[in-house]
Amino acid sequence: EAEVAQSPRYKITEKSQAVAFWCDPISGHATLYWYRQILGQGPELLVQFQDESVVDDSQLPKDRFSAERLKGVDSTLKIQPAELGDSAMYLCASSTLGGHTEAFFGQGTRLTVV
Amino acid sequence: DQQVKQNSPSLSVQEGRISILNCDYTNSMFDYFLWYKKYPAEGPTFLISISSIKDKNEDGRFTVFLNKSAKHLSLHIVPSQPGDSAVYFCAARPTSGNTGKLIFGQGTTLQVKP
Repeated sequence: EAEVAQSPRYKITEKSQAVAFWCDPISGHATLYWYRQILGQGPELLVQFQDESVVDDSQLPKDRFSAERLKGVDSTLKIQPAELGDSAMYLCASSTLGGHTEAFFGQGTRLTVV
Repeated sequence: DQQVKQNSPSLSVQEGRISILNCDYTNSMFDYFLWYKKYPAEGPTFLISISSIKDKNEDGRFTVFLNKSAKHLSLHIVPSQPGDSAVYFCAARPTSGNTGKLIFGQGTTLQVKP
């Protein structure tokens, strides 16, 4: 069964260090999303790609966060420098073109900043 | 401002009984509503959705009801099973932009007791 792959599953990093997460969406899915879920809250969209183009990054803290999807397939989300408040689950999801169907989520990366 | 709200953080029901999870929204500009289920340390899994032009959608044990005048939707699980124990997120898709972006509620933790 096709699924969204994310790595690493868990990451512990020190404050002010750089950290990166990787996501490989379901094959053929043109739309890719990065969500952040803080404990006790629902996922919140950070950035959305349509193929290799960003279509929504309004909630991405651009001073420290960056995301890319160079070839329109897999994607990387980076945080530099990490802050204590960045501790959360980072979820990648994908859907077919235009997001007209439900999004399928990966297992997420649990980030702890110490 | 929280556009999608799940006001009950938790719900406990007996196996075989009905589970009713509720969700309220404040913005009328949503065209689709979705429910996701999430187990610990895993990503959300799509459960069921409903278009804003409908008032009911059923899939096996799961039924979602939409009351547009009250800006309220609910998920009914009948009969509830211990394996249904998870966090349930309500999500809404904004009409504008048609990007597929989802706005999530805070989640409700369902416990089904054997």
